[in-house]
Amino acid sequence: EPEVTQTPSHQVTQMGQEVILRCVPISNHLYFYWYRQILGQKVEFLVSFYNNEISEKSEIFDDQFSVERPDGSNFTLKIRSTKLEDSAMYFCASSGLSRYSSGANVLTFGAGSRLTVL
Amino acid sequence: LAKTTQPISMDSYEGQEVNITCSHNNIATNDYITWYQQFPSQGPRFIIQGYKTKVTNEVASLFIPADRKSSTLSLPRVSLSDTAVYYCLVGDGAAGNKLTFGGGTRVLVKP
Repeated sequence: EPEVTQTPSHQVTQMGQEVILRCVPISNHLYFYWYRQILGQKVEFLVSFYNNEISEKSEIFDDQFSVERPDGSNFTLKIRSTKLEDSAMYFCASSGLSRYSSGANVLTFGAGSRLTVL
Repeated sequence: LAKTTQPISMDSYEGQEVNITCSHNNIATNDYITWYQQFPSQGPRFIIQGYKTKVTNEVASLFIPADRKSSTLSLPRVSLSDTAVYYCLVGDGAAGNKLTFGGGTRVLVKP
């Protein structure tokens, strides 16, 4: 079964540092997403990405965050100047549906990257 | 986006059937109902999706009444490994649109 792969599985960083979380979506998928889950809380949407552009973003996804697809396989989330409250599990997901086809969107999630900000 | 309401938690025993009902009174015509499962420290995993009536796969069944204002996920003969949080999501399925996760239902399967 195709998988979404995320690295690193766990990153510890100092407050104020920049981190980059990496994801390899399923190869023929068109849409990519980042979600986060603070310990004990809900899974929260951050951003969706299609055709090298942000498709939708939440109010959480402010100027501190950015996403990029630097090559044909990777999808990255950059968090600048990390804060204590950025500590969370960050999940990458991808889906294969074209915006212009009918049907329903099913996301495949990766195992997550745990970010700990000290 | 239609808001969903589901029980916070449910306990069950191995071998029993677990039914989780989700309310979505404001579901729109184009909305689909999707259920995900999440184990601790793992990403959500798709279980089943439906639009109306009944859908069944190798893992679960999804029952959707005619008015579509609720849906019931049915897990047959659960095992200890089915202990997880189950999320009901409602959305129009348009790719790229965000999925909004609620609090989910924490299912604990006991021996």
